This record gives sequence, C-alpha cells and structure tokens, in this order.
Amino acid sequence: NAGVMQNPRHLVRRRGQEARLRCSPMKGHSHVYWYRQLPEEGLKFMVYLQKENIIDESGMPKERFSAEFPKEGPSILRIQQVVRGDSAAYFCASSPADRWSGGYTFGSGTRLTVV
Amino acid sequence: ELKVEQNPLFLSMQEGKNYTIYCNYSTTSDRLYWYRQDPGKSLESLFVLLSNGAVKQEGRLMASLDTKARLSTLHITAAVHDLSATYFCAGYGGATNKLIFGTGTLLAVQP
Repeated sequence: NAGVMQNPRHLVRRRGQEARLRCSPMKGHSHVYWYRQLPEEGLKFMVYLQKENIIDESGMPKERFSAEFPKEGPSILRIQQVVRGDSAAYFCASSPADRWSGGYTFGSGTRLTVV
Repeated sequence: ELKVEQNPLFLSMQEGKNYTIYCNYSTTSDRLYWYRQDPGKSLESLFVLLSNGAVKQEGRLMASLDTKARLSTLHITAAVHDLSATYFCAGYGGATNKLIFGTGTLLAVQP
C-alpha cells in the first residue's frame, strides 16, 4: 500500500503563474482533504472532497484557488496567478468512507515557493 | 465551529525532564488526535483518543482525554533529543466533521 502520494514534492512558480498540486489517496480511500501550512504555523483546512463532489470548501480562498477530485485520477489543487503569499506547504490527506475507523493519512506534502 | 488551542506554543526542555502539552477545544469532538511533525516532513499519527478518560501510551509519550473539561494532554516523560518535533492535536469539527488542528507545540529537547 503506497500511502497518500503527493506530487510534486517541491514546486517553484513565478508570480502570476499557475500551480497544480496532485494527490492520489490511499487505496480504498474515497475522501480527500487539503490543508495549507504557512511557515511556522499550524495546518489550516482548505477543502474536503469525495469523488466528483466538493463536500466542504469553507477554507478555500474565494479567488484563484480551486480543487477537484475526478472519477478517475488524482485530486488536483489548482492555484491561479500565484502570489508570494501562496508560498506554503500544502498537505493532502485521505480517509476511508467510514471516517471514524482510522482517521486521516497524510501525504508528504508539496512545498510551493513563489518567486 | 470547533477551535483548538494548544499551549505552550514553544517548549524548550532538558533531556531527562518531564513536561505536559495542553490541548483545549471549544465544542464537543467525538475523538481527539495527536500528530507529530518533524521539520520539512509530513504528519505522523501518534494517538487517537476515543472517549472520556481515555489514556494511551507509547514509549515516553502518554496522551489523555477529558471530554467534560474539553482538554487533552500529551505528557512527556524523561525527554530525549529524538522527541524534538512539533506536536499537533486535532479534533473533528464543523458541519462536515473535518479535522481541525491546534496551533502546534514546537518541542526542543536540549542535551
């Protein structure tokens, strides 16, 4: 079982470019969550998705950020027109449908640097 | 919505000493998690506490949960340098029951 796979591990973008972060959940997990961690801070919830559905996006910035979890393929967190303040570590986690049984498993994260 | 607060935010300890990290949460959470994060790394699950009075121990770390007081503690016994990391507590909250994290406690164990 490969665990939660995130790629890329490190991503450098110039201001104004787009960033695409990918997350493949653990085998058998159907729920995906994205969190952002700014330097020296805790994890802030961004969005919770199931296949083809956004369940909770209460933590997503209103502009430039979007997320999807298609029927086939990984979940994608997309940041358009990146700014320096988007520099952070972005973590994806997954859980089974029965979320009470095992909690979340986290990926290794994508560290985004905007220059 | 659930708010989770930890204290202290930073803890410098000497090897061999004991200390406790506190995690207060604002509303009912069905369970409480503790995670460890090493610098530049992902989160490693340490404990899940399921009910009032639950106590779990792994090595030099012991976690407990008091749901009436909405308080969880992570106790460190005879600290060693390998325990240096950031520790987070988290509970389920919000309308969709997602994990909400505390601010984290950066633990530095000095020789």
